[in-house]
Amino acid sequence: DVKVTQSSRYLVKRTGEKVFLECVQDMDHENMFWYRQDPGLGLRLIYFSYDVKMKEKGDIPEGYSVSREKKERFSLILESASTNQTSMYLCASSSSGGGLSEAFFGQGTRLTVV
Amino acid sequence: KQEVTQIPAALSVPEGENLVLNCSFTDSAIYNLQWFRQDPGKGLTSLLLIQSSQREQTSGRLNASLDKSSGRSTLYIAASQPGDSATYLCAVSGGYNKLIFGAGTRLAVHP
Repeated sequence: DVKVTQSSRYLVKRTGEKVFLECVQDMDHENMFWYRQDPGLGLRLIYFSYDVKMKEKGDIPEGYSVSREKKERFSLILESASTNQTSMYLCASSSSGGGLSEAFFGQGTRLTVV
Repeated sequence: KQEVTQIPAALSVPEGENLVLNCSFTDSAIYNLQWFRQDPGKGLTSLLLIQSSQREQTSGRLNASLDKSSGRSTLYIAASQPGDSATYLCAVSGGYNKLIFGAGTRLAVHP
């Protein structure tokens, strides 16, 4: 079974803290993605990576950064957490196979910033 | 800019009904279209993937069709069950296989 694993299901952090969300995939996929999901706004792409050490901004990168030092691991970093970053964060991975490429998602991390 | 719309936003039906969920997109330059299921508070589960060159895909009681030229896809659920209750999301894939999502259809199937 293919698997994308996020390090935490639930996190509570304080305003101003540096927060790390970790994602690991076991499918040898080239592409990895971080989305956030909010009621009424749907899923929005924060950052993605198409190779080790490569990263590209998505639609809402402000306040976030990412790291991909190994192919299987993609980290999302909140440099200084704010209450408006309270959200559900979803990691995904896919191969680089164009039309054949199916995306697989982790179980999500519900982050609350207080 | 690609936009994905799903209709209806919510649907409540009795068990056993056949259902059609609709998805439309504005730019036909896609690699593929995926349908996902999301249970409350959980991640997304991939249901079906249709490549841009395909017309339909089937998995069990689910059938998804794609008309790329008109920018439409439908997800057909046969003989619905209470366990089908969830939010169904469609997403189209473009460059780097980035997914652009619709807002979803929230489905409730009652016994």
